[in-house]
Amino acid sequence: GDSVTQMEGPVTLSEEAFLTINCTYTATGYPSLFWYVQYPGEGLQLLLKATKADDKGSNKGFEATYRKETTSFHLEKGSVQVSDSAVYFCALSEGDSNYQLIWGAGTKLIIKP
Amino acid sequence: DAGVTQSPTHLIKTRGQQVTLRCSPKSGHDTVSWYQQALGQGPQFIFQYYEEEERQRGNFPDRFSGHQFPNYSSELNVNALLLGDSALYLCASSRGWDRVYGYTFGSGTRLTVV
Repeated sequence: GDSVTQMEGPVTLSEEAFLTINCTYTATGYPSLFWYVQYPGEGLQLLLKATKADDKGSNKGFEATYRKETTSFHLEKGSVQVSDSAVYFCALSEGDSNYQLIWGAGTKLIIKP
Repeated sequence: DAGVTQSPTHLIKTRGQQVTLRCSPKSGHDTVSWYQQALGQGPQFIFQYYEEEERQRGNFPDRFSGHQFPNYSSELNVNALLLGDSALYLCASSRGWDRVYGYTFGSGTRLTVV
């Protein structure tokens, strides 16, 4: 079945460092791909998405490019801030009649001042 | 504009008991999806309700059931609770045609089974 694999955390970086969180997927068709963020005590929030190969999603300085040839959707940010500390989830949805998201296990990001 | 509201925020139940969790969707949303998030894991899809019917179901036993009311709010019921049902239960609302693209999540209900 479909699945999502994320790099294990926690990932600890200093403020202004470059961030990459790896995400790879397995799917039988052509999924849409998502990154969600979960701040402590808050609900999951959509960070960015891409619906077809080579699409680049971007939001709040974060970017991710849908790479079909490597089945990847890595999250990047050029300069992280303490406020970016959170848990980041990669997810996919496949098919026009599919109403669910399939999620990775999440990657905890800790940014130190 | 109120987002998704879930109640209660926390509860503790004993094995074998039954529990009901509630979700009020964001204004303008007519679809409710439920997810189970075990500690340290990603959410797992339980089911989705649209027009008061279960539209799709994940790989969960029949002990998990739900309901959607005419005002689009929803309940998740779990019978014969097991220790393994301890998790954060998330509700996401959306508009029917948005499928997963327009999800708004609530903060969740933390269920502990002892």
